[in-house]
Order: sequence, then C-alpha cells, then structure tokens
Amino acid sequence: AQSVTQPDIHITVSEGASLELRCNYSYGATPYLFWYVQSPGQGLQLLLKYFSGDTLVQGIKGFEAEFKRSQSSFNLRKPSVPWSEAAEYFCAVCFMEYGNKLVFGAGTILRVKS
Amino acid sequence: EPEVTQTPSHQVTQMGQEVILRCVPISNHLYFYWYRQILGQKVEFLVSFYNNEISEKSEIFDDQFSVERPDGSNFTLKIRSTKLEDSAMYFCASRQDLDTQYFGPGTRLTVL
Repeated sequence: AQSVTQPDIHITVSEGASLELRCNYSYGATPYLFWYVQSPGQGLQLLLKYFSGDTLVQGIKGFEAEFKRSQSSFNLRKPSVPWSEAAEYFCAVCFMEYGNKLVFGAGTILRVKS
Repeated sequence: EPEVTQTPSHQVTQMGQEVILRCVPISNHLYFYWYRQILGQKVEFLVSFYNNEISEKSEIFDDQFSVERPDGSNFTLKIRSTKLEDSAMYFCASRQDLDTQYFGPGTRLTVL
C-alpha cells in the first residue's frame, strides 16, 4: 500500500543552525511530492512541491527539498532556521493513480532553541 | 493572492447533533477535498469532489457524512449525527487541474 513516513516525530535545533527533515514514501512510480507547514492553530501552508524535472526544488522562506528516486525520499532542508519557524512540518504525497488525494506523513514537530 | 476560506473557525456541538462545515474554494478551481486531523494525529483524507459528484471517499467517510456544492461557490461537509470521535480539525482544500491542493485554515469541531 502507498505510505509516507516521517521518521522523526520531534527535532530540536538551535536558532541559526541548519535543518533537514526526512520523508520517505512507498510507491511503485514517482508520485507528486509536497511539504506543508502548520503553525499552532493554523492551517496548512505549502512550502514547496515536486512534480518532475530538476530534483532539487526551491520553495518559500528559503526552504529546499531534494527528490531522490533511488531512496524514495524527499527531504526538506534549510541552511539557517530562525526561531519563528518552529512549527509542525508535513510531507505529503499524491499518488496519481489513486484519485489525486494527498497522503500525509505523521509530521515532524520542529523546536528551535534560542 | 486567492485563498481557501472556511467557516466557522471553531464549532462546538452536542453529540448526536448535525453540523455543517463551510468552505469557499479558490474560484477557478475544479477539484475539492475534505481532510481531517484528530488532535495529535496525521492529516487524513475524507473525500474528493469533482464535477458535482464524489470522486473518491475514504473508509472514514461513512453514511453520516455528506458533501455538497450548493451554489457554485460554497463546498460543505455535513455530519448528520456527530459522535465524540468526530472531534477534529477539518480542512478543506481545492485545486485547479494537475496542480497543488491549497488548504483553508480549518474548522475545529468539538463534540461534547
């Protein structure tokens, strides 16, 4: 079955440090891939997406993600994280043959130490 | 920038009561979705809607749930007889063609 795994439930980084959030999926073909961020009490904001082409994609707020087909991964990165970006980050995958719905990972809660 | 809106932001209801959650998708979008997120859990797909009919629904979306696009702008989710376990954040999303789903801010439903 199609699935999305975010292996890290919580990550804590120091303000200004770099960040990498992991995402793996299980699927036979290449799906569409997304990262969303959810601040407390807020909705889901799209950070970036991958459909095809260049496997390194740039998003808003200085985020980037790299699709690695061999590892079925789509990890989110940022070189320097401000305190304000403490939030929950969700990887989501659209399996096109299954109605275009999004399947979400469990989320990673990012804490930023000042 | 156009955005998906949802009302109300918070709904409190008694068990067994009917609730209607409202969404206004982005105006030129064609595909509409409802998801829910129980507190502390992952976001789960409920239903997708296209061309005035349900295109897919999850096992969560049982006979107690229904969706409607009554007037060409609103997209509603109705829960006929709420249960305690329906307490969750409900997100509406819409998309154009082969593109990104844009999410609304959510409605927090509390069933007492």
